[in-house]
This record gives sequence, structure tokens and C-alpha cells, in this order.
Amino acid sequence: GDSVIQMQGQVTLSENDFLFINCTYSTTGYPTLFWYVQYSGEGPQLLLQVTTANNKGSSRGFEATYDKGTTSFHLQKTSVQEIDSAVYYCAMSPAYKVIFGKGTHLHVLP
Amino acid sequence: DMKVTQMPRYLIKRMGENVLLECGQDMSHETMYWYRQDPGLGLQLIYISYDVDSNSEGDIPKGYRVSRKKREHFSLILDSAKTNQTSVYFCASRTGNYAEQFFGPGTRLTVL
Repeated sequence: GDSVIQMQGQVTLSENDFLFINCTYSTTGYPTLFWYVQYSGEGPQLLLQVTTANNKGSSRGFEATYDKGTTSFHLQKTSVQEIDSAVYYCAMSPAYKVIFGKGTHLHVLP
Repeated sequence: DMKVTQMPRYLIKRMGENVLLECGQDMSHETMYWYRQDPGLGLQLIYISYDVDSNSEGDIPKGYRVSRKKREHFSLILDSAKTNQTSVYFCASRTGNYAEQFFGPGTRLTVL
């Protein structure tokens, strides 16, 4: 069945560290892939999305590449800041449904 | 202004009571969703609505039902709430399969 795997439940970094959050997905066809960010006390909001395989999406210094070969959509940022502390969700939309990973809680120390 | 609203934001109910959670959107989006969010489990889909009176079960529909009589409004109903339905509930809407979802601010429900 369709699924999204995020293995890292929690990541703690210092400011200016490199961020890498794993995301792999399983489905047939070519879904649209998303990263959502959720700040404390708010609903999730779109960080970036990619519809076409092998394309890269980027926003606010974050980027992710839709790799159809490895079925991955890892999130990266070169230099995190304290304001990036939030929960990050990888998501996949093969059709009407949107399937979310379990989320990665990023804590950035000043 | 593109917005999804949820009412109430906080709710405390006793086991066995009925619960009504309301969601509204001002973007005329056809598709709307209800999720619950629990620590370590992420966002779990309860119901999808494709448009007025066109609803479909998600992954965890048991104990919930929905109503959509206008495109702008989507309600989640818990008949005889249970303690294990204590959670944060999010509503979302979007315009098509490849579009982003817009989420509301959430309703924190506690069932005692």
C-alpha cells in the first residue's frame, strides 16, 4: 500500500549546522511530494512541493529533490537557525488522499 | 484572504457526550479533510470530502462521522465521545490532487 517513511523522530542541531531529514515513499505511479512545517500551536503549512520526478523544490533555504529511482524526497538545509525549530512532515499525494510521514521534530539550539 | 478556520479551538467533554467540531474555508475548495494528530503518530486521516454530500472514509473513521452541506463548511461529529478520542483535530482543504493543503489552526479536544 501507499506509505511515507520518516525514520528520524527528533533531530537536535546547533545554529548554522547542516540539516538532513530522510523521507522515502512507496506508491505506484508519480505522486506529488510535499514537505510541510508545523510551528508550535499552529496547523501545518506548506514548505515546498514537487510534482515532477527528478525536479528540485526549494523554499526559505530548504530544498528537496524528487528522486523517482530511490523513491526518496529528503529535506536539506545548509545552515539552520533557531527559528527553524518545528515539526517537519514529508507527504505524498497519489490522488485525493494525502499520506503523511510521522514527522520529525527539529530542535535548533542557539 | 485564504483561510481555514476551526471552532472551537479548545473543548473539554465527558465520556459519552456528543461532540461537534466545525471547519470553514473561504477559498471554494472542493476537497476537505479531517485529521487527528497524536504524539509519535503524525497526522492520521479520518475523512475526506470531495464536495457537498460526497464523503469518504479515511484511515481511521471508526467513532466519527462527517457532514458537508455547503462547500465552505465541513463538520466532524463524535457520537458518544470516548477517552481515546482525546487529540488535536485538524481540518484542511485544497483545490485538486496536486495542490497544497491549507490547514486550520486545530481543535484540542479532551474527553474525560
